[in-house]
Amino acid sequence: EVQLVESGGGLVQPGRSLKLSCLASGFTFSNYGMNWIRQAPGKGLEWVASISSSSSYIYYADTVKGRFTISRDNAKNTLYLQMTSLRSEDTALYYCARPLTGSHWFAYWGQGTLVTVSS
Amino acid sequence: NIVMTQSPKSMSISVGDRVTMNCKASQNVYNNIAWYQQKPGQSPKLLIYYASNRYNGVPDRFTGSGYGTDFTLTINSVQAEDAAFYYCQRIYNSLMYTFGAGTKLELK
Repeated sequence: EVQLVESGGGLVQPGRSLKLSCLASGFTFSNYGMNWIRQAPGKGLEWVASISSSSSYIYYADTVKGRFTISRDNAKNTLYLQMTSLRSEDTALYYCARPLTGSHWFAYWGQGTLVTVSS
Repeated sequence: NIVMTQSPKSMSISVGDRVTMNCKASQNVYNNIAWYQQKPGQSPKLLIYYASNRYNGVPDRFTGSGYGTDFTLTINSVQAEDAAFYYCQRIYNSLMYTFGAGTKLELK
């Protein structure tokens, strides 16, 4: 069974940093590109970042480019999101997601980890 | 930058009704869109991909259609458990995505 478990969220002051993790199990992690998506309280979904299976290709939403870094450790089956210079508008539930085999659509989602940016 | 516009923002319908919601792209996205369902307190779930392909286990009352700029998600004979937010999503540059703002489906 595919499982994605996010962790690392919490309360952080504006301007500070936080690193999220997503531990994957139930599939060969190194075969799949992975993604971070966030959802601000009461708002819709926003794609944040994507990374290819071998980390060769990395993409970011304009809203986080230059502040967030997506990475992965295939030996540890773990996806990361390093967030720096955090702003109040980064407050959201952060999901990691895996695509459907052979496509790019998000078939598997974790339960999310909540990041609150506030002084 | 291609914008995905969903309509209506919300709708209130009765069990058994047929529902149609729309997703319009500001430019041609071919069939590169998906639809997701999100219920309160839950993670989103993939319903439809490549505009019209139903994901495994999705009831056949859910149908996606469209190509180019105009896309539709239809739910035939809506059930109580279909009350949720529905989001369309497009893919571009292979690994970049945009979501629509969502449509809230409520049951009367």
